[in-house]
Amino acid sequence: EVQLVQSGAEVKKPGESLKISCKGSGYSFISHWIGWVRQKPGKGLEWMGIIYPGDSDTKYSPSFQGQVTISADKSISTAYLQWSSLKASDTAIYYCARREGGPAAMDVWGKGTTVTVSS
Amino acid sequence: SYVLTQPPSVSVAPGKTARITCGGNNIGSKSVHWYQQKPGQAPVLVIYYNSDRPSGIPERFSGSNSGNTATLTISRVEGGDEADYYCQVWDNSDHGVFGGGTKLTVL
Repeated sequence: EVQLVQSGAEVKKPGESLKISCKGSGYSFISHWIGWVRQKPGKGLEWMGIIYPGDSDTKYSPSFQGQVTISADKSISTAYLQWSSLKASDTAIYYCARREGGPAAMDVWGKGTTVTVSS
Repeated sequence: SYVLTQPPSVSVAPGKTARITCGGNNIGSKSVHWYQQKPGQAPVLVIYYNSDRPSGIPERFSGSNSGNTATLTISRVEGGDEADYYCQVWDNSDHGVFGGGTKLTVL
């Protein structure tokens, strides 16, 4: 079964750093892109960026460029999303999702990681 | 940047047909994907490449795309179809773009 398993919920203070993960299984991890999507409370989906674990090619939404870092460790089939200094406005659910390539859909999604940033 | 416009809400009676639109400049030249999201759950792909259905998605779900509008059509709507629906494309820089989402209410 193809799965993306995300790390657990996090509660952090403003200014702290954070790295959340997304582990793929049941398919060739290096042959599919992994994207990250933010959903703030009661709001819609926002596309943050995407990485191709095979060569670490990464693309960021202009809205998130410089605000987060997307990476992957293909040896353990895991993608990451990290912040160096969290803000309260980063409070959201973060989903990872798989894409084959080209204009393909994001066909498999993780269950999401809830990040709460509060003093 | 590329913008996708969806109506915030659509209401339909059970058994009727719901149509959710997604507007974008010459969207007919792009591949449009649709996701369903129920409260407290992750999004689920319901239509890909404009009109294809993943396995497990009922035939009641269909899609079309032409000109400046893509449409998700749900026939014989059931209470279980009540959810938020999002359209999505990839722009010319291979960045993902989501529509604002449409809340489908089954009356």
